Amino acid sequence: NAGVTQTPKFQVLKTGQSMTLQCAQDMNHEYMSWYRQDPGMGLRLIHYSVGAGITDQGEVPNGYNVSRSTTEDFPLRLLSAAPSQTSVYFCASSYKRVIRAGANVLTFGAGSRLTVL
Amino acid sequence: AQKITQTQPGMFVQEKEAVTLDCTYDTSDPSYGLFWYKQPSSGEMIFLIYQGSYDQQNATEGRYSLNFQKARKSANLVISASQLGDSAMYFCAMREHSGNTGKLIFGQGTTLQVKP
Repeated sequence: NAGVTQTPKFQVLKTGQSMTLQCAQDMNHEYMSWYRQDPGMGLRLIHYSVGAGITDQGEVPNGYNVSRSTTEDFPLRLLSAAPSQTSVYFCASSYKRVIRAGANVLTFGAGSRLTVL
Repeated sequence: AQKITQTQPGMFVQEKEAVTLDCTYDTSDPSYGLFWYKQPSSGEMIFLIYQGSYDQQNATEGRYSLNFQKARKSANLVISASQLGDSAMYFCAMREHSGNTGKLIFGQGTTLQVKP
């Protein structure tokens, strides 16, 4: 099993450029989410999805768009990158319901380090 | 609204000693789950331990145990017999089960350094 695959691992953008961070999982998880990690701030939820066609905002959604056309994929789009979006981004997925104890443990991708100049 | 608080930005522990990392949470949902993750310097997020709000006993996984005090809304991670490889950042997280959003909220993290 590949688990959660994120691409790219590293990216440098100029202010105003757009890009898409890709996320794919092969575990048939209903729940997928994007977090950003900044020093001293922990992991903050950007957007999440509980199934294909359903997305919702997390704590810090501004400047980011998502869509969920399939169960497997959950891309994160930056329409006009800003230096404040310099961060490490994590995609994560899990089953939505507690099928059994611990079954809804979040599985993370390896992370994508984004720098906006 | 759900909230997770980790009040210890950094901790030191001597190798082979036990250490407790604090986590308090706030929720009005009677059904929830609490998680601890480890993030070593390589950056990946590693799941350590899970506690359900209705679990009668504290969760244990090898050298990790969760000191769950429901009335005090605390879920502290205890690492016994610390090893140099335990040096990492540790995150506490919570997921409310009602509403089925699956949303998982993290605390700010605690950096643990194990001294030889």
